[in-house]
Amino acid sequence: GENVEQHPSTLSVQEGDSAVIKCTYSDSASNYFPWYKQELGKGPQLIIDIRSNVGEKKDQRIAVTLNKTAKHFSLHITETQPEDSAVYFCAGAGGTSYGKLTFGQGTILTVHP
Amino acid sequence: GAVVSQHPSRVICKSGTSVKIECRSLDFQATTMFWYRQFPKQSLMLMATSNEGSKATYEQGVEKDKFLINHASLTLSTLTVTSAHPEDSSFYICSAQGATDTQYFGPGTRLTVL
Repeated sequence: GENVEQHPSTLSVQEGDSAVIKCTYSDSASNYFPWYKQELGKGPQLIIDIRSNVGEKKDQRIAVTLNKTAKHFSLHITETQPEDSAVYFCAGAGGTSYGKLTFGQGTILTVHP
Repeated sequence: GAVVSQHPSRVICKSGTSVKIECRSLDFQATTMFWYRQFPKQSLMLMATSNEGSKATYEQGVEKDKFLINHASLTLSTLTVTSAHPEDSSFYICSAQGATDTQYFGPGTRLTVL
């Protein structure tokens, strides 16, 4: 089955700086990679996703890049704000996982004012 | 759009009792719903996948007789934790998938078994 590794486990930045979170996956047949933001005591919220036929996708301050050859994808948050502080999860789906999401371990992002 | 609700948001029960958690897709039809559990400071672990009108598929290590899943309509799935014990205390989260493979998550249910 799919295995998704996520790094770093914690990330601390100053307001206005950029934050980058990286994930690698094992199943070369995976074709869908969403990113979720989870605030304390709440369910995950989809913030951006990318499919294997696209190399990069951007939505305002958030961007995701995908390198299929290397089997890794990254989340980029620019001009970070304190409200970006949360736990971020990457996930992979498709291929042998038949649409089920396999999550990374999560990254605790803290943005200091 | 793509709103998923869960009820209740929190539940406290005595050991040995059963608890039912509802998951609803409010503005779309969910052909597939997923149930996850999440322990503190950990990632989401898939428990089972349910398709409307058919039996749920459970992940390895998840007891199907303990975690009963029903997906009776395209907008509602329920998870019943039977004979709950303190080790079942966790954060249970559902997600719903419609016409695409995108999963939208509910707000979660905090279960505490005394």
